[in-house]
Amino acid sequence: DADVTQTPRNRITKTGKRIMLECSQTKGHDRMYWYRQDPGLGLRLIYYSFDVKDINKGEISDGYSVSRQAQAKFSLSLESAIPNQTALYFCATSDLLGESTDTQYFGPGTRLTVL
Amino acid sequence: GQNIDQPTEMTATEGAIVQINCTYQTSGFNGLFWYQQHAGEAPTFLSYNVLDGLEEKGRFSSFLSRSKGYSYLLLKELQMKDSASYLCAALDTGRRALTFGSGTRLQVQP
Repeated sequence: DADVTQTPRNRITKTGKRIMLECSQTKGHDRMYWYRQDPGLGLRLIYYSFDVKDINKGEISDGYSVSRQAQAKFSLSLESAIPNQTALYFCATSDLLGESTDTQYFGPGTRLTVL
Repeated sequence: GQNIDQPTEMTATEGAIVQINCTYQTSGFNGLFWYQQHAGEAPTFLSYNVLDGLEEKGRFSSFLSRSKGYSYLLLKELQMKDSASYLCAALDTGRRALTFGSGTRLQVQP
C-alpha cells in the first residue's frame, strides 16, 4: 500500500463549486504539505502544517483553505473554484527526525480541471 | 525568499553522462534536494546535500557549493528510463519549506 494517498485522483468541476482534495499518510510524519504544479512553473507551495494545531500559508494560498483533521490527514479546499486553479495538486509529508529528515515524500497527485 | 534556476530542457544519448545544473539565490539556506519526476507522476527523492562536496549514489551523484549558490546532478550510464524531469529544491534556514525550481526535462535518445 502507498504511504501517501490522495483522493480523488482526477476531478472535473465547474466554476464556483466548492471542492475538497484529501490526503492521508501512513508514514507517521508530523509535517504535511500541499503543492500545485503547472506546466513550466514547477511545484508551488500552497499550505503546510507541522502538526494538528500548526497551519501555515505558503507562496500561493489565496483561494485555498486547509484542514488538518489528524496527524495522518490533511485536506485542501477550494471554496469557489475558478479556471486558473486547473492544475496538478500534490500532497507531501516529511519528518524532522531520522535518516530522511526534511526529505519530502509525495502522493500520486490529483488532476483538477475547473471549467 | 528564494530564486532557483535550472535549464528547461536537455537531451542526451543512452549510455552517456549528463550534468544538470542548478543555481540558487536565497535569503536563507539549509540544503539542496534533487527529485526525479516522470510525466504525470509524483516527484521521487534522489539526493540531499547540506555540506559542500559530492554525494554519490549509484549512477547518480549530486554536488553542492554553498559559497557559489550552485549544485549539479550528474547522471552516468544513461538509460531510456532516465527520461524525466529533474527538480532542484532549496530548503530554507528554518527547515520549514522547500522552494522548487521549474525543473529540467531530460530526454534520453537511443
